[in-house]
Amino acid sequence: SYVLSQAPSVSVAPGQTARIACGGDKIGVKSVHWYQQKPGQAPVLVVYDDSDRPSGIPERFSGSNSGNTATLTISRVEAGDEADYYCQVWDSSTDHPIFGGGTRLSAL
Amino acid sequence: QVQLVQSGAEVRKPGASVTISCKTSGFDFTGHSIQWVRQAPGQKLEQMGWINAGSGRTSYSQNFQGRVTFTRDTSADTAYMEVSSLRSEDTAFYFCAKSRYGRLLSKMFDFWGQGTLVTVSS
Repeated sequence: SYVLSQAPSVSVAPGQTARIACGGDKIGVKSVHWYQQKPGQAPVLVVYDDSDRPSGIPERFSGSNSGNTATLTISRVEAGDEADYYCQVWDSSTDHPIFGGGTRLSAL
Repeated sequence: QVQLVQSGAEVRKPGASVTISCKTSGFDFTGHSIQWVRQAPGQKLEQMGWINAGSGRTSYSQNFQGRVTFTRDTSADTAYMEVSSLRSEDTAFYFCAKSRYGRLLSKMFDFWGQGTLVTVSS
């Protein structure tokens, strides 16, 4: 079955750029969605279809997808961006979603 | 505005069942699927399956097949999930989420319920 791999954690200083990777076989041909989950809260969609942002999501959040890696980029990281970030694709063979293991972002 | 409001926390003994409701508003309920996702404490998101709120068609993750049942009440714009034969490992937050199609017919989850904590303990 298809697997999405994420690093467990990423740390960046406030004001710097965070890049969170999501690895998968030929993920570049799939559409990737990203969710932010803060402690005790439900996930929030922050990027969909590789690089589009839902309304209300700051422009600091952007995404890209090519080859075997999709990337969520958060510019000018703020303390409020500290959260777990999950990537997700849709597996058409099973008709179910696949989630990555999540990456915890810390703003040092 | 779109809202999914879930029922409150539950405590059950091993072997019991629990039903969680997901009351929706602000969108065409029967025009979408509702996805169910589990998250054990400190763990990743785990998809459980979905129900097409219009047709009632369901699809269950193999990990939960036979122990989980999705239903919906279109007159109340509400989806339900029943989990039976509960065990301690089922202690988790359970989320419902509204599905929508993106590029390449890839489903995403654009709105989520607040989560329901189910604790299974003797």
